[in-house]
Amino acid sequence: EADIYQTPRYLVIGTGKKITLECSQTMGHDKMYWYQQDPGMELHLIHYSYGVNSTEKGDLSSESTVSRIRTEHFPLTLESARPSHTSQYLCASSEDPARNTQYFGPGTRLTVL
Amino acid sequence: AQSVSQHNHHVILSEAASLELGCNYSYGGTVNLFWYVQYPGQHLQLLLKYFSGDPLVKGIKGFEAEFIKSKFSFNLRKPSVQWSDTAEYFCAVNSYNNNDMRFGAGTRLTVKP
Repeated sequence: EADIYQTPRYLVIGTGKKITLECSQTMGHDKMYWYQQDPGMELHLIHYSYGVNSTEKGDLSSESTVSRIRTEHFPLTLESARPSHTSQYLCASSEDPARNTQYFGPGTRLTVL
Repeated sequence: AQSVSQHNHHVILSEAASLELGCNYSYGGTVNLFWYVQYPGQHLQLLLKYFSGDPLVKGIKGFEAEFIKSKFSFNLRKPSVQWSDTAEYFCAVNSYNNNDMRFGAGTRLTVKP
């Protein structure tokens, strides 16, 4: 089982603020993901990474950006938060890129006022 | 793009009742199949997975799932639920060829004591 850490767990901020959601994993997994989760909806992939210096956009259009400078760290940044960004953000990593068993962090619940 | 359907949004059962949650997917190629569980206030956890071989797979906490290729289904079952099984359950399907993971919208299970 992978250990995935996300901080902060909860964040309430005002419109226009820049925020960074942190995600770290200790298992050395190359592939990492960011999802958006809203009640009653499927998880939507917003970003993923195959490894260091690799970042890709997912299906869901997002105004966020990510970086992957170290294997264990995959932060997500919103340059200017808006109320439409209010959601739960989940980070995951995969131990097996082919079969893609993913392990999830606890999530960050973001509220933008 | 492939999709995953979970037919039941909310299921309410009494303790000791049997459970079956439906999951269907739309991809015709080789797939890897997963069920995840999210207990209240906790992160998504892997319940079980299917890669190949015996289509009946057993997971943690007495859960099992059956892959029926001809029906594109991967239903989750438990013979006798407990109050502690109250959670949200997500089906996920990974397309082996293009490594594209899709999640269903989730089924909320409430078990009455």
